[in-house]
Amino acid sequence: GAGVSQSPSNKVTEKGKDVELRCDPISGHTALYWYRQSLGQGLEFLIYFQGNSAPDKSGLPSDRFSAERTGGSVSTLTIQRTQQEDSAVYLCASSLGQGSSYEQYFGPGTRLTVT
Amino acid sequence: GNSVTQMEGPVTLSEEAFLTINCTYTATGYPSLFWYVQYPGEGLQLLLKATKADDKGSNKGFEATYRKETTSFHLEKGSVQVSDSAVYFCALTTPGFGNEKLTFGTGTRLTIIP
Repeated sequence: GAGVSQSPSNKVTEKGKDVELRCDPISGHTALYWYRQSLGQGLEFLIYFQGNSAPDKSGLPSDRFSAERTGGSVSTLTIQRTQQEDSAVYLCASSLGQGSSYEQYFGPGTRLTVT
Repeated sequence: GNSVTQMEGPVTLSEEAFLTINCTYTATGYPSLFWYVQYPGEGLQLLLKATKADDKGSNKGFEATYRKETTSFHLEKGSVQVSDSAVYFCALTTPGFGNEKLTFGTGTRLTIIP
């Protein structure tokens, strides 16, 4: 079946512009995670959704970052007024439920470059 | 807080060599431990996992044993192949804290030479 998909695969934007990154999880997966992979910080957690609710937003680096999930499916990560330090690969993962028995399946990522 | 310390890379080995990538962790509660792999041009995928002390995770010839006494989860393979060239990430979750967010190590780039 279809895996986790993310769009766009690459995004180049100018400093100060807003960007939206999209994640389509595997159908039926209730849990959705956003992570960021950057040279300086490695792989770090950003936000977790269970259904449409986000009980853990602790990894969002600043109030320029926000995310939503609608219909228990698609999620959008928005970065306002982008800065060069936002350049990274943004990864989305989904899982069937909570608990370590549920594997997180990762998408291919969106590579964001802020010039 | 939770943290994962992973062997610095890059690591370069000849085909059929023995592989060990060290991983130690600090965590509250009783973590579950994972190794993820990222092949060139591909997304992260789960390689193996262990959810309690003394469990051994295994897949594709790779093994790792959950050692609570040494807080370690070292990845091993007896005979590596060129196709094992990838970046390997050790990670953990702490179940029961509301979500299963992964805390990752820095990754180890492995290159196997024919």
